[in-house]
Amino acid sequence: EAQVTQNPRYLITVTGKKLTVTCSQNMNHEYMSWYRQDPGLGLRQIYYSMNVEVTDKGDVPEGYKVSRKEKRNFPLILESPSPNQTSLYFCASSSSTEAFFGQGTRLTVV
Amino acid sequence: AQRVTQPEKLLSVFKGAPVELKCNYSYSGSPELFWYVQYSRQRLQLLLRHISRESIKGFTADLNKGETSFHLKKPFAQEEDSAMYYCALSPGGSARQLTFGSGTQLTVLP
Repeated sequence: EAQVTQNPRYLITVTGKKLTVTCSQNMNHEYMSWYRQDPGLGLRQIYYSMNVEVTDKGDVPEGYKVSRKEKRNFPLILESPSPNQTSLYFCASSSSTEAFFGQGTRLTVV
Repeated sequence: AQRVTQPEKLLSVFKGAPVELKCNYSYSGSPELFWYVQYSRQRLQLLLRHISRESIKGFTADLNKGETSFHLKKPFAQEEDSAMYYCALSPGGSARQLTFGSGTQLTVLP
């Protein structure tokens, strides 16, 4: 079954404590991306990757890092989380015709 | 830069009534337009894309380049249509690099 898997689903952390949200896809897609979803703002792209070792900033990259060492994985790294990064995060893996989304990670930074 | 506007944050209709969710976009080229749906506690999934001209779950959407609109319509709403709907645009003609609107929460009342 084609899927995008994110972990963890829920995370509560404290300001400044580094964290990583993992994302994995089994569809052999070259293009992967991260979004955050906030009420009234919809989904905004954080970072995207067009292939292994090729990443670029989206619309709201500040405070985030990514890496793409292998095709199937695209982790999102928050080196020093702050409360304004409290949000619902989605990873997506895209073919040319459709974007497939993970289940979401609800992050709370206190 | 491209932009997608969904003017209604909330929309309520009665079961069996027609429903129209509005989407307007700004982009200087020829975009690819999508509608994504997010049912309660589920991941986003593709509802339809304009180039395929499909009707999914009774929904249709017509791209009006003159009005730069891509409104989603259904003649007879069902309770199971209650969900968050996102309009999205891709400048490259594929499902990558999506720019989302802020979403419309549709509630179909019994």
